[in-house]
Parts: sequence; structure tokens; C-alpha cells
Amino acid sequence: ETGVTQTPRHLVMGMTNKKSLKCEQHLGHNAMYWYKQSAKKPLELMFVYSLEERVENNSVPSRFSPECPNSSHLFLHLHTLQPEDSALYLCASSQLSGSNSEQFFGPGTRLTVL
Amino acid sequence: GEDVEQSLFLSVREGDSSVINCTYTDSSSTYLYWYKQEPGAGLQLLTYIFSNMDMKQDQRLTVLLNKKDKHLSLRIADTQTGDSAIYFCAETRGGSQGNLIFGKGTKLSVKP
Repeated sequence: ETGVTQTPRHLVMGMTNKKSLKCEQHLGHNAMYWYKQSAKKPLELMFVYSLEERVENNSVPSRFSPECPNSSHLFLHLHTLQPEDSALYLCASSQLSGSNSEQFFGPGTRLTVL
Repeated sequence: GEDVEQSLFLSVREGDSSVINCTYTDSSSTYLYWYKQEPGAGLQLLTYIFSNMDMKQDQRLTVLLNKKDKHLSLRIADTQTGDSAIYFCAETRGGSQGNLIFGKGTKLSVKP
């Protein structure tokens, strides 16, 4: 247990569906992240929230929409996804103080888009 | 290049030492990290090294850092079957707090 939980653990959706991934951290951290892990690519940073403000958006298609209502919760809203969006989506959190960027990861949501 | 580079696979026998290598790109990275991912799980921080160090030892793990060559390695002594996992090297890019850039990961297989 890393103190970061993600739900659901597995999700199968059609291209016309709308779904949301949820992440919750119990570590008192002030930054949260969404990553995409595909089979043949390095971990891709998608979004970074620091103090509930989005500070990074790495050219992610608009069919992915993040939301950070408070410092403990992070959502990733999904709509009209494509099959190539099938991947493991990992949430992480960290405490941004000093220069140590140690991140704590959740177990991920395995997403399959049909 | 722009990427953090790692070899994709490593196979060792139980009891041997494993050495996983990584080259990174940003000389201003203040911390470099090793993460472990077991099947079906997220990433777990194994260890990290501050950029002004050249070695860090933590039980069976030894991290070596060569800043001149931007080369990082992770040595696992007395490798066990439970060490079978994917190991990711990560650097902080551009000095930005929190922005980690990961390698593709090295899949370590430990044979009994």
C-alpha cells in the first residue's frame, strides 16, 4: 500500500461511452499526476496538478479531461476514446518541497477501449 | 538524445547479482530514481540518489552514478525470484519539481 488508491482497477468501454477514473491520496501531498503506460512506450506524463492548479498538460487530446477538486482527489474524465487509448493509467502524488520529486504511485486502472 | 535509455530485458540466476543500467539526459537533474513495478501493480520507489553523490547503498541495492557520462546503475545483490519485475530509471527534467521522465523499463527475470 502506497497511500494512493485508484478506482476502478479495470475498465472496459466503448468508443462512445463516458467514464471517469478516480484517484485518492492519503499522504497529505500537494501535487498529483496522471500517467499513461502503454505496452511499447515509456511512461507518459499526462497532467500535473500542484496545489489543485493544473501546471502541466503534455499535449494530451481533449477526450481526456482531468479534474482536481481538492488536494486529495484527482479524476480523469474520458469521452469518445479510441482503441489506441487502451493502456494502464497511473496516478501518483508527491510533496513539492525542496528538490526531491519522489512520487508515490497508485496501482493503476487498466483501460480497454473497444 | 531526448530519452532516458534502458535495456529492455535482463535475465539472471537466483543468487547472482543483477546490474540494470540507465543513461539519462538532463545534467541538471538533482535526484535520480529507481522504481520497481510488479505485474498488475503501480510503480514502487526503490531508491533514489542525490546528484552530488556517486554511490548509495541500501541493503541489497547499490546505486552508482556517473554524472560525467550521465550513467546510472542499480545493482541487486543475491537476486531472488521475488525481484522479478520491471525496473524504471527516472530523472527530474529541466529542474522542474515533480516532473519525472522515465525510461521504458528493464524487465528482470530471475531463474531458479
